[in-house]
Amino acid sequence: SQQGEEDPQALSIQEGENATMNCSYKTSINNLQWYRQNSGRGLVHLILIRSNEREKHSGRLRVTLDTSKKSSSLLITASRAADTASYFCATDAGPGGGADGLTFGKGTHLIIQP
Amino acid sequence: DVKVTQSSRYLVKRTGEKVFLECVQDMDHENMFWYRQDPGLGLRLIYFSYDVKMKEKGDIPEGYSVSREKKERFSLILESASTNQTSMYLCASSLVSDFYEQYFGPGTRLTVT
Repeated sequence: SQQGEEDPQALSIQEGENATMNCSYKTSINNLQWYRQNSGRGLVHLILIRSNEREKHSGRLRVTLDTSKKSSSLLITASRAADTASYFCATDAGPGGGADGLTFGKGTHLIIQP
Repeated sequence: DVKVTQSSRYLVKRTGEKVFLECVQDMDHENMFWYRQDPGLGLRLIYFSYDVKMKEKGDIPEGYSVSREKKERFSLILESASTNQTSMYLCASSLVSDFYEQYFGPGTRLTVT
């Protein structure tokens, strides 16, 4: 079953605006990760937030985690055309933690209009 | 710079053929994974391995097998390719750590006709 579910499925904004994507999951986690995928390519790790953290920053990225609501959000500030990609959240909810692989959501497709 | 490579970017095979997808990582990672990615379904785990000659089934192992004879190489095998195995196949690797950040290859887009 799908652990993470991103919302919205697609998002189109103007360059310079902020983009917010949400992720919900179902079971307890050790950490939650966000990945980016450019069209037809592999995934690239963006940021990881541990279950005991509430907020984390990396450059123009801000991730929040609310374990009581089993949800996370990814904020990209001052968006650029190069941010156009699909964004996935991934959780390690398996019995072996991340050693069993990550469970990915279906992704949010972000389009930045110039 | 960390690197995961996959043997082919695009592959076209006929139904019933045996297909080998190769993945090599140069980071000395213990864990390696094979996923398939389909529109509307996201990434789904096929098989993973946490050591040489070790393998574990993921969520959708049916129709696939794997081989890990060397630490850096993890192969996905389609014993008899079928059209429903047309997909993007992604290989990933990770260290044994608390976080298991995964490093992905560029993907192989397989078409079975």
